[in-house]
Amino acid sequence: EIVMTQSPATLSVSPGERATLSCRASQTISNNLAWYQQKPGQAPRLLIYGASIRATGVPARFSGSGSGTEFTLTISSLQSEDFAVYYCQQFRTFGPGTKVDIK
Amino acid sequence: QVQLQQWGAGLLKPSETLSLTCGLFGGSFNDFYWSWIRQPPETGLEWIGEINHRGNTKYSPSLRSRVTISIDTSKNQFSLRLNSVTAADTAMYYCARGGLGGAFDVWDQGTMVAVSS
Repeated sequence: EIVMTQSPATLSVSPGERATLSCRASQTISNNLAWYQQKPGQAPRLLIYGASIRATGVPARFSGSGSGTEFTLTISSLQSEDFAVYYCQQFRTFGPGTKVDIK
Repeated sequence: QVQLQQWGAGLLKPSETLSLTCGLFGGSFNDFYWSWIRQPPETGLEWIGEINHRGNTKYSPSLRSRVTISIDTSKNQFSLRLNSVTAADTAMYYCARGGLGGAFDVWDQGTMVAVSS
């Protein structure tokens, strides 16, 4: 069974700054890696699939990269609406999440 | 635009059966798989299981003995049943569409299910 880990657990960032979130798989996986954003009281929203493909309507400041066991979600310039919890997912396994909050 | 909307009981007693149904609006069941995912309070996401339009299912190993997912394409809906619930099953339950390389691209708003005596 593949285990997904995410780091850091919490990331404090100032608006306008760059945020880099990491996701690691316990074994090499294909590029079937997705990233989600979840705000309080809302369902998760798909941001990235196929490790680097932005979902429909997702702003260009969100980008995904990586392969093998190491993947990264980058938010190039944080906006106020980007403060949320971010999950990575590979098929039926989710990571524990990274909370991005205001510094 | 594809939308999902679920309904079902939100308060259960221990040992009862959780039953939720998710309706599909504006789309087809073909070419995707249809999943149930849950999220306990202040916790992360847990995949429960999935079904395709042919009725083929896959379940989480940890829940397999208690879960049944079914589909009724004529009514554009799929359902979740979880037997013998306990407090540990208290969670927000989501239905979602899977595809796009394994990603879940359409979610409903979720239903909070609480198990309490």
